[in-house]
Amino acid sequence: DVKVTQSSRYLVKRTGEKVFLECVQDMDHENMFWYRQDPGLGLRLIYFSYDVKMKEKGDIPEGYSVSREKKERFSLILESASTNQTSMYLCASGGLAEIHGFFGPGTRLTVL
Amino acid sequence: SQKIEQNSEALNIQEGKTATLTCNYTNYSPAYLQWYRQDPGRGPVFLLLIRENEKEKRKERLKVTFDTTLKQSLFHITASQPADSATYLCALDGSSNTGKLIFGQGTTLQVKP
Repeated sequence: DVKVTQSSRYLVKRTGEKVFLECVQDMDHENMFWYRQDPGLGLRLIYFSYDVKMKEKGDIPEGYSVSREKKERFSLILESASTNQTSMYLCASGGLAEIHGFFGPGTRLTVL
Repeated sequence: SQKIEQNSEALNIQEGKTATLTCNYTNYSPAYLQWYRQDPGRGPVFLLLIRENEKEKRKERLKVTFDTTLKQSLFHITASQPADSATYLCALDGSSNTGKLIFGQGTTLQVKP
């Protein structure tokens, strides 16, 4: 059974902290994505990666960075967390053959 | 500007009826369109994909249509059940060959027994 896992389901951080969200997929997918989901705004793409060490900005990259050192792992980094980054963060992966997304369970991040 | 829109109002229907959800888009030329189901507090789960050269796709009680002239997709659930209650998202490819998806905001379906 295919799987995308995220490091935490719930996370509470303080303003100014550095936050790492990790995502791992076991499907050998080339593409990986980070979205955030907010009420009324839907899913918005933050960053995506189509290969190891490659990354592309999505629609809302400001305040975020990413790292993809290994094919199966895609990390989202909040360099200095702010309250407006409180959100549900969803990771997804997709292959060249399977163009639909496989999503992780999400991390609900609260920044106080 | 580019937009993908779903009816933001919740859809309430009686068990056994057919639910029809709409997805409209502007200023995109997608090669395919996808539908996902999302339950509260969970990640979206893929349901169906329809390509630009396909008019209709079916999977069990689900049916999707794709009209590239109207720039619209319709998602139907026949013989709906309370277990079908969820938010349904449509998504289209934002750029070729990257798998990048652009999502609508979703429509919440409530099926009453």
